[in-house]
Amino acid sequence: DVKVTQSSRYLVKRTGEKVFLECVQDMDHENMFWYRQDPGLGLRLIYFSYDVKMKEKGDIPEGYSVSREKKERFSLILESASTNQTSMYLCASSLASGANVLTFGAGSRLTVL
Amino acid sequence: GENVEQHPSTLSVQEGDSAVIKCTYSDSASNYFPWYKQELGKRPQLIIDIRSNVGEKKDQRIAVTLNKTAKHFSLHITETQPEDSAVYFCAAKVAELTFGTGTRLQVTL
Repeated sequence: DVKVTQSSRYLVKRTGEKVFLECVQDMDHENMFWYRQDPGLGLRLIYFSYDVKMKEKGDIPEGYSVSREKKERFSLILESASTNQTSMYLCASSLASGANVLTFGAGSRLTVL
Repeated sequence: GENVEQHPSTLSVQEGDSAVIKCTYSDSASNYFPWYKQELGKRPQLIIDIRSNVGEKKDQRIAVTLNKTAKHFSLHITETQPEDSAVYFCAAKVAELTFGTGTRLQVTL
């Protein structure tokens, strides 16, 4: 019954490493999002995409990039991981029309040492 | 951009009591206000939402009220139960959702 799948639940990386977080949805949603969740800061939008090959910056895009080569897949890339990127990363998707209800993935907890 | 403030950050109530969580938003163009519940170790899930043309919406024990003039909206949970214990996030939407910082609700027996 899982509709939004994040490939890694837990990752440990070293400073300076390149990190890929993958997200796949099977609901044929047009919109996909990457959020970062930190205690006391809530959910902050990193990047989002309304269509294949399309991407838009959210509120905190610095240090991140994204890729959407296929409708169902949205990848978050940390070109050179830093310790302040240690966090929980949540992927979400929604339909383009209607209530825009977000369906979230289970999250990827990244630790950068 | 939009700014959403949420209070309180933690809330402890006894089972059967009511709980109220309040949010304010800054952009008067916001037109959609959902509430998400995140149980421990799980993903956030939508529990109720309201659009700007509606003042109140109820779904069993939960309700949301919206005051557009004051730019605030609230989540009300009545007859709280232990399974209501979770982190609750409000959000407001202009173009995309901006979330509040979350409220950890603990329902004690």
